[in-house]
Formats: sequence, structure tokens, C-alpha cells
Amino acid sequence: KQEVTQIPAALSVPEGENLVLNCSFTDSAIYNLQWFRQDPGKGLTSLLLIQSSQREQTSGRLNASLDKSSGRSTLYIAASQPGDSATYLCAVKGDKIIFGKGTRLHILP
Amino acid sequence: GAVVSQHPSRVICKSGTSVKIECRSLDFQATTMFWYRQFPKQSLMLMATSNEGSKATYEQGVEKDKFLINHASLTLSTLTVTSAHPEDSSFYICSARDNSGRVKYNEQFFGPGTRLTVL
Repeated sequence: KQEVTQIPAALSVPEGENLVLNCSFTDSAIYNLQWFRQDPGKGLTSLLLIQSSQREQTSGRLNASLDKSSGRSTLYIAASQPGDSATYLCAVKGDKIIFGKGTRLHILP
Repeated sequence: GAVVSQHPSRVICKSGTSVKIECRSLDFQATTMFWYRQFPKQSLMLMATSNEGSKATYEQGVEKDKFLINHASLTLSTLTVTSAHPEDSSFYICSARDNSGRVKYNEQFFGPGTRLTVL
């Protein structure tokens, strides 16, 4: 049974810092891994999707990596801004999409 | 990109009543839609997979008689919470898969969610 873990559960950093969010999964037989952003009381915004054959994806200040063999992914956020404050969810797709519990990120102005 | 809508965005109802939530794929056809539930500070949990023209597949522990799913067209799936109780209060999110081949890798697109509060 696939399990997805995100560490840390919460993170506060000063504005401007670079930061890394971690995601690990137990079953490496996945089709893809996706990072989402969720603002309080809102739906999901897809940030980056990495196919199982890919190692990383980049979009603006965001870079996501995937090491399928070790069951790990990281989301790197460069030059953080207060608007980046949100919960970041990692989801892996096997026969179903399984979500982690998320990392609540707070960027301090 | 593909858009998925949900209606209503927020609903408050009395205990014992039934509530219907709609999920629509606005610019693509979705033979498969998914319903998720999210409790506060928890992960999204898959409740059921909705297939157009056939019965939904429910995850273990989800009562199919309580959470009725109808996927009558390629652009609409509905979730009806029957005889709602306060413990059903949650955030319900649907997603739809574009199987047309237009989108790479049959990606799933998520709706904005529906906040259900049962008094």
C-alpha cells in the first residue's frame, strides 16, 4: 500500500530565503509525482508534474526533483515571497493518486 | 488548461438532509472522475472513482449507500451525501481525467472544492 510522507509538517522562513520541501513514498512503481499548492479553504493548484521517467521539472522559482528508486522528491522554492505562504501537497500516481498530508509554509515578511 | 468546476462552493445543511454536489469538466470530456474528501489539516483521501455510464467504484470504508455517485454524462458527475450528519462536514474535491489524448499523460484536473457543513 502506497504511503506518502511530507516533512516538515510546517515551516516558517524569512522572506527571500531559499527552501526545500520533502516528499517520500513507499512504492516506487509510480507513473508520476505532482506538487500542488492549496490556500486555506481553497482547492488545488497544480505546480509541477514529474513523469516517472523524468528527474526534475522547473517553473519559474520552483524546481521539483524526483528520485524514483529511493522514493523521494523535493520541491525547491527560490527567493521565497510572502505570497508563497500556503500548504504544499505532494501526490503520487500509481493505480490511484495518493496524497501526502502537506507542508504548511509561512513566509515571514 | 482544462477546467473543472464544482457547485456549490459552500453549503450548510441540517442534519438528516441530503446534499448534492456537482462536478463538471468545462472544456473536455471525462469518462472518469474522482471524488476526494479532506478533513482539516489532513490529506485528501480518495472516496470513489466515477465512471461514465457505469457504477462508481468506492474505496474501502466509504459507504456507497451514503455517498451516491452518478456520472450520467461525459462532463458531469454528482455526489449526493444522503442523510448528512455533522461528521460528514468536510471539504469535497472532485477531479476529472481527460482521456482524449489531447492532454499528455491523461492528467487529472482538480475542481475548486465544496465546503460542506452539517449542523
